[in-house]
Parts: sequence; structure tokens; C-alpha cells
Amino acid sequence: SAVISQKPSRDICQRGTSLTIQCQVDSQVTMMFWYRQQPGQSLTLIATANQGSEATYESGFVIDKFPISRPNLTFSTLTVSNMSPEDSSIYLCSLRLSEETQYFGPGTRLLVL
Amino acid sequence: TQLLEQSPQFLSIQEGENLTVYCNSSSVFSSLQWYRQEPGEGPVLLVTVVTGGEVKKLKRLTFQFGDARKDSSLHITAAQPGDTGLYLCAAPRDSSYKLIFGSGTRLLVRP
Repeated sequence: SAVISQKPSRDICQRGTSLTIQCQVDSQVTMMFWYRQQPGQSLTLIATANQGSEATYESGFVIDKFPISRPNLTFSTLTVSNMSPEDSSIYLCSLRLSEETQYFGPGTRLLVL
Repeated sequence: TQLLEQSPQFLSIQEGENLTVYCNSSSVFSSLQWYRQEPGEGPVLLVTVVTGGEVKKLKRLTFQFGDARKDSSLHITAAQPGDTGLYLCAAPRDSSYKLIFGSGTRLLVRP
């Protein structure tokens, strides 16, 4: 298993501002991911955070809106830029330890006013 | 487009009752995972099923993968309030490392 922590755990932000979410893992992992969970909804993959190269974004998500950093194998950040109320969601980082095992962090609950 | 549909969306039952949650798709998957997410937490992996027809048990939870690997079910026996949460099925998209998630089933077990 793996221990994943996220900061902040929750935040309330004003429209037009940006928030950077941090994800720290207790072991080195190759594959880390960022997901969004909108209120009452399931999880949607935003991007794969690649160590040493640019993140790979899913359809509907762009780097300008969700810039991602992955400076090493234990840490990643996701920035939600120029926020609007539609960005109010839970943002989750996850990692893949094996083909059949994926673990999730506790999530960051974001409310944009 | 690969989709996972879960039913029911919501379930409110009394402690001690049994229940079954379904996860269906028209696509074939190499494996399927079940997660439980409690309020304020991230999803926690319960089980991964890989072989068609496979049945796995986790205490009072029984997971089954359909013979054709297109569907799965989660059966809970004698539900307890601690089983309350959001149950999500997930599967690799296009046999890649990327997961797609079902719409989720919100379970409330009343004492």
C-alpha cells in the first residue's frame, strides 16, 4: 500500500483566483494521476502527471487551466487557474502501484464563490 | 466510448438487510475494481476481479465478475451502518492504465 497526503484538505476561493494543490506520496511511484469529482458525481481523470516531462491531459482538460508539476517521484501539484464556481469539486491525486492496484489521496475540497 | 453504469444510484436500507449493487457495460474489460468512498475521504480499493466468472469475498461483501467480463456485482450481507458510503466500480479504459469510473451507488444503512 501507499500513504498519500494532499494539501490543502479544503479551501474556499474567490472567482478569478488560482489554487495549487499538493500531493505527497511516501514512496517513489512512476505513475501519478489527478482526478476531479464534481458534487454528487463520479470521478473523472484530468491528467497523468509524468515525472520529468509535461503532463498528459484528457479530453476536455487543458494545461492552461490545470497546470501540473511533477518534480520527482514522490510529489506532484495541480493548479486550478482562473477559477469559476464550476470548478467547485473534490480534486484527488492517485498513484498506480501495479496493474490492478490504484490508490487515492484523501482529496481537496474546493469551493469557488 | 466505454461506459460503466451502476444501479441503483441510491439505496437506503435498514441494518441487517442484504443488498446488491450492479455495474454494467457493453464493453469487455480486462479487470474491474470496486471502491468505497466515505464522506471526506478518497476512494478506497476493496477488490479487483480479473477472470470472467470470478467470485471474491471480503467478509460480508461478495464480488462477482461476469462471465463475459462486461459486468460485475457487489453483494453485501447483513449490512451495517459502517457500510454506508459511495460505492464505485472502475475499469481500465481501452486496456490502458487509465481508469474509467461508474456513476456510483450511494448506500445509507440506517441503524
